This record gives sequence, structure tokens and C-alpha cells, in this order.
Amino acid sequence: QKEVEQDPGPLSVPEGAIVSLNCTYSNSAFQYFMWYRQYSRKGPELLMYTYSSGNKEDGRFTAQVDKSSKYISLFIRDSQPSDSATYLCAIHNNAGNMLTFGGGTRLMVKP
Amino acid sequence: EPEVTQTPSHQVTQMGQEVILRCVPISNHLYFYWYRQILGQKVEFLVSFYNNEISEKSEIFDDQFSVERPDGSNFTLKIRSTKLEDSAMYFCASGPTGRPYEQYFGPGTRLTVT
Repeated sequence: QKEVEQDPGPLSVPEGAIVSLNCTYSNSAFQYFMWYRQYSRKGPELLMYTYSSGNKEDGRFTAQVDKSSKYISLFIRDSQPSDSATYLCAIHNNAGNMLTFGGGTRLMVKP
Repeated sequence: EPEVTQTPSHQVTQMGQEVILRCVPISNHLYFYWYRQILGQKVEFLVSFYNNEISEKSEIFDDQFSVERPDGSNFTLKIRSTKLEDSAMYFCASGPTGRPYEQYFGPGTRLTVT
């Protein structure tokens, strides 16, 4: 079983829509859950992260973790064409330093 | 806003040659990392560096790879004898003290081995 999985998409939505991006993971030792945005041929940009379970909100973005289901989500409200990018979830195991990334979901927001 | 910088943005080299990829981490960060991303694949961890030594490395980071912090600002990744399969984007990242999970990535160096 892969450690972190994401649907690759592409996910195409109209401008203004609410977007839901998801990841599943297999290792219950993971404790920090990160969301990165990556534009084509650029480096991943850290959007936000959560520790353990629960929600965290930052502007139009909400990150949610359900540790019982090993499921993490990123919601984008009022999506904009500038949100078009690949969204990567990444998970940190507190025992080490590495981030384990999902394969990314490509999002396209159409004007 | 401070950011991680990397040079060069694109490096072309012949198989068997040595390459050095350079990074300037965010100035008050003490954790440093290298990741790579082969085209169309996941971002993969290579190595982490803290307190002037390697703190963790992946199976990818074999004897062909080495890292160094030659001075107070630079962090380098050396590949001694490049192979075709080393062609990838290489990302440097840095993180603040006490928060190794919070990693900020540079724009990457695209390495093409011919």
C-alpha cells in the first residue's frame, strides 16, 4: 500500500466554486499534514499545515484531518483562475525529518 | 519575504560528470533538505542536514551523492558521477529550528543528464 495517495485529476471547476482536494495515507504515526501548491516547473509552495486531527482555516483555504479515517482534505472557497496549479499533500512523521508527498492533484479553475 | 534560492536554474551535463547544485536557505533556518522530482512523478526526499551533519537520508541518497554547507549561507548537493536516471528537478528546502515539518522549498534546479 502506498504511503500517501492523491487522485491526480485534473479537476476542472468554474471560477467561484468550492474545491475539495483529498489525500489518504497509510501510516498512523504521521502527525503533521501539509498542503503545498506547485505551479508548472516551480517549487512547491507551503500553503498551510495542521497537527493531528481537526480543522485549520487561512483565508479561502481550510485544511481538515480525520486521523480515524487517515484522510486529509483541503477546501478552497471562491476559487480563482490563479488557484490553477497542482496541489500536493505531504505528511511528516515526527520520528524523522522527511516529508512524504502524494502525487498531487492538478486543479484548473476556469473563468 | 525571505525565500530559498537555487542556482543554476537548469544544468545540462554528460553522463559520468560531476555536478554541484547550490542553494541559499532562508537565513535564520537551521534545517536543510534536498528533494527531487522526476518528471511526472512524486517529490521524493533525498537528505536532511542539521547541525553540520546528515540527520536522515533516503535509499536514493547513495555514495554518489554528498551534501555540504561550505559557509554560513550556502548548502550544496554534489552528484559525483551522474547517470541518465539522475535527470530530475532538484529542490532545496529549509526549515526553522524546532519545526522540522515546516519546510520551505526553493524554485528548483532542472538537471538534464545526456
